[in-house]
Amino acid sequence: VQLLESGGGLEQPGGSLRLSCAASGFTFSSYAMSWVRQAPGKGLEWVSAISGNGGSSYYADSVKGRFTISRDNSKNTLYLQMNSLRAEDTAVYYCAKYDFSAPGYFDYWGQGTLVTVSS
Amino acid sequence: QSVLTQPPSASGTPGQRVTISCSGSSSNIGSNYVYWYQQLPGTAPKLLIYRNNQRPSGVPDRFSGSKSGTSASLAISGLRSEDEADYYCAAWGDSLSGPVFGGGTKLTVL
Repeated sequence: VQLLESGGGLEQPGGSLRLSCAASGFTFSSYAMSWVRQAPGKGLEWVSAISGNGGSSYYADSVKGRFTISRDNSKNTLYLQMNSLRAEDTAVYYCAKYDFSAPGYFDYWGQGTLVTVSS
Repeated sequence: QSVLTQPPSASGTPGQRVTISCSGSSSNIGSNYVYWYQQLPGTAPKLLIYRNNQRPSGVPDRFSGSKSGTSASLAISGLRSEDEADYYCAAWGDSLSGPVFGGGTKLTVL
């Protein structure tokens, strides 16, 4: 299993970024996926999750209405569209393989991509 | 402030047994499975324990998990220098939208 995030960078407050996570080594469409972030020097925070077919998605209250999770199963790729970015969204964003039937179960993680929101 | 409470730090000497606690409530740990993650410096988290006390393949049996009521614990026996890392517990969150993590415990091997 390999998960490779990309798309991070420096963005101004109020701006937008789209993160991608390329998956390989497993049947991507059969599994839920999730994004988890970690602010510099801080702990882990679950951000969002999506079902294998993309029909169900969930968000942490801190990003609801601003972030959108999606997936393209034909490309084995997970996305996170981040709008109305705030300084507190600065973090390393990890994509992780997830299990909706076992909340808290992330069995594989990518290496992360850093998002910095600053003027 | 995390929903799940962990001590910010723990320490031990090589060969010792250390435990890290994770305290929650009846709506998270009390009625759901607990998971533990190890994050070595500069790397992504790694699943260490799932469903309270199960180890994924490849995780040494020096690592064990337990749960009682609204608290859980991670025990590491035969402590090694390579165990120096941050450890996080996780469980279903009260908001019913997703999981929550503890604040993390930094383990130092003296």
